Amino acid sequence: ETGVTQTPRHLVMGMTNKKSLKCEQHLGHNAMYWYKQSAKKPLELMFVYSLEERVENNSVPSRFSPECPNSSHLFLHLHTLQPEDSALYLCASSQDWASGTYNEQFFGPGTRLTVL
Amino acid sequence: QKEVEQNSGPLSVPEGAIASLNCTYSDRGSQSFFWYRQYSGKSPELIMFIYSNGDKEDGRFTAQLNKASQYVSLLIRDSQPSDSATYLCAVLFQGAQKLVFGQGTRLTINP
Repeated sequence: ETGVTQTPRHLVMGMTNKKSLKCEQHLGHNAMYWYKQSAKKPLELMFVYSLEERVENNSVPSRFSPECPNSSHLFLHLHTLQPEDSALYLCASSQDWASGTYNEQFFGPGTRLTVL
Repeated sequence: QKEVEQNSGPLSVPEGAIASLNCTYSDRGSQSFFWYRQYSGKSPELIMFIYSNGDKEDGRFTAQLNKASQYVSLLIRDSQPSDSATYLCAVLFQGAQKLVFGQGTRLTINP
């Protein structure tokens, strides 16, 4: 498998459920990202991991909990979500994360999340 | 003020014409600028990046950057129906070390 993969592709959950989103990159990259994409709004950066360390937490509510066990895998653990959290959640990776350098971000196909 | 601003569209262009997409940004220190294309139901894919003032051409695509005006644009020549998508402008904000996206412009090429 190549590129960035995400599972599941679609998820429907109740507000009391706990679920996890998974992302895997097969590109040998050192940085991974979680983005949220809602209708009519820009892509919102949620978390950045560089070499398995979290380097960015963009004021995301604690009901979203990221985990990066190694440089190839990234998880987003979800619990007690709200209906307004329904969105497309995109994972991305890049070679490195560093100020002032260009690093193309490769996106996964996303998980379409619906919170009832 | 939005950090990266784009006209949400929709922008309709006849097949074969030039499509012009515009983007302004708030961080004067930004040095790296990107255009992503996102088809409906798909993830964004990078189509152009530009660092220096002026024009950068790649096939039918031309990116234009004017740092003094904090303005970046994307021109698509000889537009094809397959160019119909949402185009996202992204700016690497120096201080925050993060890629900030605009809301995207939805482009429709009419046969």
